[in-house]
Amino acid sequence: GQSLEQPSEVTAVEGAIVQINCTYQTSGFYGLSWYQQHDGGAPTFLSYNALDGLEETGRFSSFLSRSDSYGYLLLQELQMKDSASYFCAFVTTDSWGKLQFGAGTQVVVTP
Amino acid sequence: DAGITQSPRHKVTETGTPVTLRCHQTENHRYMYWYRQDPGHGLRLIHYSYGVKDTDKGEVSDGYSVSRSKTEDFLLTLESATSSQTSVYFCAISESTLRRDYGYTFGSGTRLTVV
Repeated sequence: GQSLEQPSEVTAVEGAIVQINCTYQTSGFYGLSWYQQHDGGAPTFLSYNALDGLEETGRFSSFLSRSDSYGYLLLQELQMKDSASYFCAFVTTDSWGKLQFGAGTQVVVTP
Repeated sequence: DAGITQSPRHKVTETGTPVTLRCHQTENHRYMYWYRQDPGHGLRLIHYSYGVKDTDKGEVSDGYSVSRSKTEDFLLTLESATSSQTSVYFCAISESTLRRDYGYTFGSGTRLTVV
């Protein structure tokens, strides 16, 4: 089958660094995406890794290793506003552009 | 902001009644999607559309139908609402499946309660 697994919750203090892991199973996919969702809000696109390695966008970085079927989202210099749910997602090569999501990781930032 | 709106934002309906949710976009994007979000399940695809009158099923399509008669509108209908369809429904749009960053844009969601 095809699936994405993430931890359900991560807690960290303001200013710290948090890594959200995503392990996946699929026979083929185009790349790994990350979305952020605040409580009561819409998911918003954060990043995409088509190739192995690290992509950096400001305080957020995303990493992909196809050989390990693994990716992560790194949140640096945590701020209270980073408290949200984070989802990894992919489009498999047999799914005609349909994005499949993991169950999400809730990040709780404490003062 | 991307022009995508969902209506209604909240709805309470009775079991067995039909319900239609609307997604409207002003971006002229070809691809539109309906997802439902439930605790512990992330977002699950119900139906999607790859053009006017072109739709297909997602992973949780039972009990739902869709229609797309115009590029800008994608309707989701619960044919006979059940309590298991109580959920938050999100519409999303994307410009092209060739755009490999897959940056979907989501609407604000419709919170549906079936009593």
